[in-house]
Amino acid sequence: GQSLEQPSEVTAVEGAIVQINCTYQTSGFYGLSWYQQHDGGAPTFLSYNALDGLEETGRFSSFLSRSDSYGYLLLQELQMKDSASYFCAHGGATNKLIFGTGTLLAVQP
Amino acid sequence: NAGVMQNPRHLVRRRGQEARLRCSPMKGHSHVYWYRQLPEEGLKFMVYLQKENIIDESGMPKERFSAEFPKEGPSILRIQQVVRGDSAAYFCASSPGDSGDEQYFGPGTRLTVT
Repeated sequence: GQSLEQPSEVTAVEGAIVQINCTYQTSGFYGLSWYQQHDGGAPTFLSYNALDGLEETGRFSSFLSRSDSYGYLLLQELQMKDSASYFCAHGGATNKLIFGTGTLLAVQP
Repeated sequence: NAGVMQNPRHLVRRRGQEARLRCSPMKGHSHVYWYRQLPEEGLKFMVYLQKENIIDESGMPKERFSAEFPKEGPSILRIQQVVRGDSAAYFCASSPGDSGDEQYFGPGTRLTVT
């Protein structure tokens, strides 16, 4: 089967750095995406890794290691508005996204 | 450029009724995806459509559920004879081409079955 596992909750303080991990088991892996969801609203695309290595987009970075079936999302200079659920997801041959279990990030002052 | 539009935002149906959920993709996007999210859970893929074609419906229950994306008009997810277990948030997403790694999501339709 296909599965993507994430920690269920992470807590960090404002200004800190936090890493959200994602380990996956898939067939036909096409890349790892990250989405943010506030309070059950529309998921918003954050980043995508097709190849091994680090992708940086402002305060957010994402890393992928295909040999380890592992990736992570790194959030720097945490702000209160970063409190949300974060999902890793992988795409398949037909473009459908398989989402991870999700991580609820709580940023404390 | 308007984002993905979904309506209604909230829908209440009694058991046994039909639910119709509509999705208008972003302008220029011809690929539409439907996902379902139960409370406190992740999003589960249901169906992927292009104009007038169902590409992948592997995540959609075989009975009571159907989806279409006609040449003109929005994509429709139809649930017949709803049951309490259908209560969930249904999200539509769209992408511009055949690379579906970045999908743009609508605000969702919250279906409540009483």
